[in-house]
Amino acid sequence: GAVVSQHPSRVICKSGTSVKIECRSLDFQATTMFWYRQFPKQSLMLMATSNEGSKATYEQGVEKDKFLINHASLTLSTLTVTSAHPEDSSFYICSARVQGTSSGNTIYFGEGSWLTVV
Amino acid sequence: GENVEQHPSTLSVQEGDSAVIKCTYSDSASNYFPWYKQELGKRPQLIIDIRSNVGEKKDQRIAVTLNKTAKHFSLHITETQPEDSAVYFCAAFYYGNKLVFGAGTILRVKS
Repeated sequence: GAVVSQHPSRVICKSGTSVKIECRSLDFQATTMFWYRQFPKQSLMLMATSNEGSKATYEQGVEKDKFLINHASLTLSTLTVTSAHPEDSSFYICSARVQGTSSGNTIYFGEGSWLTVV
Repeated sequence: GENVEQHPSTLSVQEGDSAVIKCTYSDSASNYFPWYKQELGKRPQLIIDIRSNVGEKKDQRIAVTLNKTAKHFSLHITETQPEDSAVYFCAAFYYGNKLVFGAGTILRVKS
């Protein structure tokens, strides 16, 4: 299957600072990427849809000024958690859709990033 | 709004037995239904998917069935093995672009 790479896998930051997480599609171009958040023992909650060359579409309840998303190229989307607080500590995971007649809507996930805010 | 319900939340089976997880979705326009397996702290892995133009799909010990009329789909794992133990998520595609997940099922296969 297609490869989606996410970096860093783990990051610890201090309250009030910002942290950036990168999501790359390694062997395909992704016009659309998705960012999810997952708390322990819970499901994946869609935060936003990242669109190459345009603004991200945020889900209801997700603060766009706090979770900045940039999709500057067809292979890279970034999520920046600004002014991080301990309650932002979570597992953040990106995904990308492989488009094409053979793959249709198949979604592949990055490895995920554990964020701990202290 | 978009909603995917998944049952049961936990499932314990004896090694060799079958496991069935069921999901329902709310939007009749949804046309793609993947199933993911997630181990602790790792990314979800696509294990099987089904599109709305078929009613059943099988891949070795794993099968998925889809009932569009009732808007539900199910995952069937036969001859379960300890390595099948994980969290399983169903999902449905909404509006052609948004994947919404069920709450997950913790599957434990006892040897």
